[in-house]
Amino acid sequence: DSGVTQTPKHLITATGQRVTLRCSPRSGDLSVYWYQQSLDQGLQFLIHYYNGEERAKGNILERFSAQQFPDLHSELNLSSLELGDSALYFCASSVGGDTQYFGPGTRLTVL
Amino acid sequence: GIQVEQSPPDLILQEGANSTLRCNFSDSVNNLQWFHQNPWGQLINLFYIPSGTKQNGRLSATTVATERYSLLYISSSQTTDSGVYFCAVDPNTDKLIFGTGTRLQVFP
Repeated sequence: DSGVTQTPKHLITATGQRVTLRCSPRSGDLSVYWYQQSLDQGLQFLIHYYNGEERAKGNILERFSAQQFPDLHSELNLSSLELGDSALYFCASSVGGDTQYFGPGTRLTVL
Repeated sequence: GIQVEQSPPDLILQEGANSTLRCNFSDSVNNLQWFHQNPWGQLINLFYIPSGTKQNGRLSATTVATERYSLLYISSSQTTDSGVYFCAVDPNTDKLIFGTGTRLQVFP
């Protein structure tokens, strides 16, 4: 158990819908990262927040947005979902820029 | 951007065998991690090793930062070692760049 929690574990929804994925970092970690793992793109970085502020952005679609709240949990919002958004979404946390610990992931299926 | 290449892409072993997985990266990094993704999809931290050598039980890792490669050694492999092994690096950009992984299958 990495200490990073993600909810829900599984999510099945339809095209065009909007979903919210939630992540709670390890106690004391200020950084939260989001990654997407799909069959064709592999594991890709989406976005990094540090203590509530956006620090780095990857190839995150405009339909996707994220935020980190004062209690340090983070949410990833995916809207206007397409079939190609089906993937495993991971959240990771770290104290600063060192070891990133990954949560169990949320498996999103878009039908 | 930085390129991360892992070899071999696939590895099939019998229980008890030893193996070496390699990760090459094309630029200097300030973070390198090895992960094991088990058949249930969980990404498990194995090592944080931007340089030097570390050991944890049957697993050990060595990173030679000046030559831009890292090696993961698995000794006396077990069926529970099966899964995909990823190397991921951070070229001081606040994000991890993952390799394409090595898929390991260990048979009894």
